Amino acid sequence: AQSVAQPEDQVNVAEGNPLTVKCTYSVSGNPYLFWYVQYPNRGLQFLLKYITGDNLVKGSYGFEAEFNKSQTSFHLKKPSALVSDSALYFCAVRDLSNDYKLSFGAGTTVTVRA
Amino acid sequence: DGGITQSPKYLFRKEGQNVTLSCEQNLNHDAMYWYRQDPGQGLRLIYYSQIVNDFQKGDIAEGYSVSREKKESFPLTVTSAQKNPTAFYLCASSIRGGQTTGELFFGEGSRLTVL
Repeated sequence: AQSVAQPEDQVNVAEGNPLTVKCTYSVSGNPYLFWYVQYPNRGLQFLLKYITGDNLVKGSYGFEAEFNKSQTSFHLKKPSALVSDSALYFCAVRDLSNDYKLSFGAGTTVTVRA
Repeated sequence: DGGITQSPKYLFRKEGQNVTLSCEQNLNHDAMYWYRQDPGQGLRLIYYSQIVNDFQKGDIAEGYSVSREKKESFPLTVTSAQKNPTAFYLCASSIRGGQTTGELFFGEGSRLTVL
């Protein structure tokens, strides 16, 4: 069965500092990996995805993520965080051997202080 | 503008009542999904539908029912059999189900509170 782990419930950073949100996954086949962001009482917004190719994926709002197959990780990064990046972030994985299903991590709350 | 519309945004229900949450999309997507979100638990799949007139149970389908009579619509009924229905419900769609690289597009959610 596929699964996603986000080991940190909360991440706190100062504005202007680098931001990293960690994600590890477990699938039986090749993974499709996604990051979403959620603001309070709103739906999820798509940030970026890894399907194949370059391990470094660039997405919306200056975010990027690095796929590491050996470590089964897909960490989300932003070089310089903004206060407006404060939100709940979800990592998700789709396993083609279980192709309809997108499994989500529990989420990481990011707080960027001014 | 294309998107997914969920209604109502907030809903209060007495115990023992069934309620139906609406989800409409004008993205011409084949697949639609219902997720439940509880604090600290991420999103859990309730039901999904890959085509009209067909749907499958997700991980937590007990106490819920759906229909897919039109491509644009995928309503979710929370029945009185659902033991703990208070939650935030999210509807999503994707270009198609099955083996797709496509991401999901989400509605703004419906928050159900059982009194």
